Amino acid sequence: DTGVSQDPRHKITKRGQNVTFRCDPISEHNRLYWYRQTLGQGPEFLTYFQNEAQLEKSRLLSDRFSAERPKGSFSTLEIQRTEQGDSAMYLCASSSQEETQYFGPGTRLLVL
Amino acid sequence: AQSVTQLDSQVPVFEEAPVELRCNYSSSVSVYLFWYVQYPNQGLQLLLKYLSGSTLVKGINGFEAEFNKSQTSFHLRKPSVHISDTAEYFCAVRGSPEKLTFGTGTRLTIIP
Repeated sequence: DTGVSQDPRHKITKRGQNVTFRCDPISEHNRLYWYRQTLGQGPEFLTYFQNEAQLEKSRLLSDRFSAERPKGSFSTLEIQRTEQGDSAMYLCASSSQEETQYFGPGTRLLVL
Repeated sequence: AQSVTQLDSQVPVFEEAPVELRCNYSSSVSVYLFWYVQYPNQGLQLLLKYLSGSTLVKGINGFEAEFNKSQTSFHLRKPSVHISDTAEYFCAVRGSPEKLTFGTGTRLTIIP
């Protein structure tokens, strides 16, 4: 049983560049979530998919952020025109019909 | 809306001593409660969860938590800690809709 995987694990970029992260959920899970965690804080919800449908987006998800899950399997999170305030750990989680969300190892983003 | 309060940002404990990490929540709907552990530079690992039924929940690594509806608490306990328990611990509530709302975390440091 492979868990949730995320790629890349680390990303350093310059301010103004675009970045894209990928999340592969546990294979039988139809729900996929993105969270952001800044230093010293708990994770904060960004968005949620059920299959390919994006059902909820947080106000934290500005118009520079976009997430997709085109075939209901893997998901991508893109940040356009990155800002230093985007530096954080981006966590992906997945779940099935039951209530437990299983998290991936995260992608740590540093914007210089 | 849901919220979680973890009053203790840091808890130092001697090895083999007991520990309690406090968590209080608020929710306007039925709650599902979770404790996750995060080791440095890693994602979140589920320790235990309360969905319904018995208010005393046992998890992995010898941890347990007790759901107290009247006090809106879900404190995490372990009777004897080990060096390997050094980590950040997050309490989370899942109400409705699907997202998890996390506390700010408690850093548990085990003193040899």
